[in-house]
Amino acid sequence: DQQVKQNSPSLSVQEGRISILNCDYTNSMFDYFLWYKKYPAEGPTFLISISSIKDKNEDGRFTVFLNKSAKHLSLHIVPSQPGDSAVYFCAAFSTGSSNTGKLIFGQGTTLQVKP
Amino acid sequence: DGGITQSPKYLFRKEGQNVTLSCEQNLNHDAMYWYRQDPGQGLRLIYYSQIVNDFQKGDIAEGYSVSREKKESFPLTVTSAQKNPTAFYLCASSSIAGATDTQYFGPGTRLTVL
Repeated sequence: DQQVKQNSPSLSVQEGRISILNCDYTNSMFDYFLWYKKYPAEGPTFLISISSIKDKNEDGRFTVFLNKSAKHLSLHIVPSQPGDSAVYFCAAFSTGSSNTGKLIFGQGTTLQVKP
Repeated sequence: DGGITQSPKYLFRKEGQNVTLSCEQNLNHDAMYWYRQDPGQGLRLIYYSQIVNDFQKGDIAEGYSVSREKKESFPLTVTSAQKNPTAFYLCASSSIAGATDTQYFGPGTRLTVL
């Protein structure tokens, strides 16, 4: 049972345009969400996070939006740059009393930014 | 420099052999995790440890074993019981398990079983 889903395996955008990566989740106990970026043969690096008490968090060119009613979040990259080409993973977890810090990851979306 | 190291980067083993993957962190983090990544799939949790001398199974623990004798180290053994051991293995750590502290990842070890 995939609790975190990234339904688009790949996305291609032109340099300078907006990249929008989507993520859906099914577990209503999730209340903290993260995006990681991963280059081939390297470990993921943390990009941005959002708590369920917010619906938007911004950090430079990266903005994450959270729609709790739809159980959907998205990562916007504006403007996209060729160096943003990587695999992006959405992850979620619950900060509740039984939380063990276990992150649940989506399958990843490969972003290609064309010069 | 603080961080997580995994060694080796690439590892080759014959089928039926046990192999141990190293993970060391100097971030003074309490919690450590092992994930596996397969092509087209997200990261799946194998084992995690919230404190020294304690660890719990993740979602795909069968065929794997771990130990946590020191705070800095969390080695993963891939046993011969693991049916599909060829994968990219990632170790991570966070300051406090259960908090919103970010998990930081090592560079990974690609294991190929011949």
